[in-house]
Amino acid sequence: DGGITQSPKYLFRKEGQNVTLSCEQNLNHDAMYWYRQDPGQGLRLIYYSQIVNDFQKGDIAEGYSVSREKKESFPLTVTSAQKNPTAFYLCASGAIDVNTGELFFGEGSRLTVL
Amino acid sequence: AQSVAQPEDQVNVAEGNPLTVKCTYSVSGNPYLFWYVQYPNRGLQFLLKYITGDNLVKGSYGFEAEFNKSQTSFHLKKPSALVSDSALYFCAVRDPLSSASKIIFGSGTRLSIRP
Repeated sequence: DGGITQSPKYLFRKEGQNVTLSCEQNLNHDAMYWYRQDPGQGLRLIYYSQIVNDFQKGDIAEGYSVSREKKESFPLTVTSAQKNPTAFYLCASGAIDVNTGELFFGEGSRLTVL
Repeated sequence: AQSVAQPEDQVNVAEGNPLTVKCTYSVSGNPYLFWYVQYPNRGLQFLLKYITGDNLVKGSYGFEAEFNKSQTSFHLKKPSALVSDSALYFCAVRDPLSSASKIIFGSGTRLSIRP
C-alpha cells in the first residue's frame, strides 16, 4: 500500500559526525518536504522540493543538505555544522496541486546527539 | 508574511463534552487552512481542510472546523470528546500568493480528554 517511509526511526550520533535520514514515497507525489519538530515549537521547514533535481531552503536550512535525484526519494543529511541537531525529523509529500492538497507524513526519525 | 497561531498550549476536556481547539492565521490572500493530529512518536495525520466554499468543513473522526474570515480564525471542534481524541493538534496555513509549496504550521495544542 502507498505511503511514506522514513528510516531509521531512531538514530544516535556523536558530535562532529554527519548523518543521513532516508525518506521514500510511493504516492507519486511531486513535492517533498523535511520538517524539524522540537517541543513547544511546532514544525519548522528545513528544505522542500517541487520537482526532481530542484529544491529550496526553508526557514532553518543551515547545517542541513538534501538531494532529489529521484521522484520517490528525498534524503536529508544533518551535517556537523548543525549546532543543535537533536530533534524529531518529519518527511512529508504532496500532490502536484500542492496548494490545495494536504501533506502526507512519514512516521518520523528521532535523532539524538551524544 | 504568513503565520498561524495556536494560543493554547493545552486544552483539557471531560469525555462527552464538546471541545474546541483554537487557531488564528495571517496571510496576504485568501488562505488555505488545514488541521492535523499527531499521536506520540508518530507522524502527522490529516484531519480536514478549508479551501473555499462552505465555512463549516467536516473531517475525520467526527471533527469539524469553522472558517471565520472576519476573525481570521479556523477553530477545530467536536461535539462530544472521546478519550482517544487525546493527542497533539496542529493548525497549518498556506498563502496562495506566496511560494507554492510553503505551508506554515502552528506550535501545536495538546488535547487531553479525561474519562
